[in-house]
Amino acid sequence: KQEVTQIPAALSVPEGENLVLNCSFTDSAIYNLQWFRQDPGKGLTSLLLIQSSQREQTSGRLNASLDKSSGRSTLYIAASQPGDSATYLCAVFLDSSYKLIFGSGTRLLVRP
Amino acid sequence: AAGVIQSPRHLIKEKRETATLKCYPIPRHDTVYWYQQGPGQDPQFLISFYEKMQSDKGSIPDRFSAQQFSDYHSELNMSSLELGDSALYFCASSWGGTGELFFGEGSRLTVL
Repeated sequence: KQEVTQIPAALSVPEGENLVLNCSFTDSAIYNLQWFRQDPGKGLTSLLLIQSSQREQTSGRLNASLDKSSGRSTLYIAASQPGDSATYLCAVFLDSSYKLIFGSGTRLLVRP
Repeated sequence: AAGVIQSPRHLIKEKRETATLKCYPIPRHDTVYWYQQGPGQDPQFLISFYEKMQSDKGSIPDRFSAQQFSDYHSELNMSSLELGDSALYFCASSWGGTGELFFGEGSRLTVL
């Protein structure tokens, strides 16, 4: 059974810091990996999608890497801002299936 | 660009009542997914449909049923509601097996 773990569970940093959020998964038979952002009580906003054949994706201040063989992904946030405060969820889409499995998320607080 | 539309956005029901949630996928998307997110929890996969057929099933209670209609919209029916069913219910859609899911804003169900 695929399990997705995110470390740390919570993170509080001063504005301007560069951050690394970690995601690990137990079964490397994934089709892709997605990073989402969720504000309290709100929907899921897709940040980055990495196909299983790719190593990384970048969007603005965000960079996500994928090491499928070791079952790891990292989300790098450069020059963090208070507006980045949210919960960040990683999720893997399984091979030969139609479901996305989520990790438990990292709650990020960027202090002004 | 059109997004995934969910209705109603908020719903309040009594225990043992029935609730129906609707999801309208992005145009030309043929796959729909349902997720349940309890307070402080990560989204849990319930069920998915591809081309109007059930494609995968997760931890969906027997009291819940879902289907995808000819116009690709989907409905999640929940009967004999329990207090523990109070949650945010997300619908997502994708095109075929691309594995790139786009989520709606969610329907918040409160069971009293």
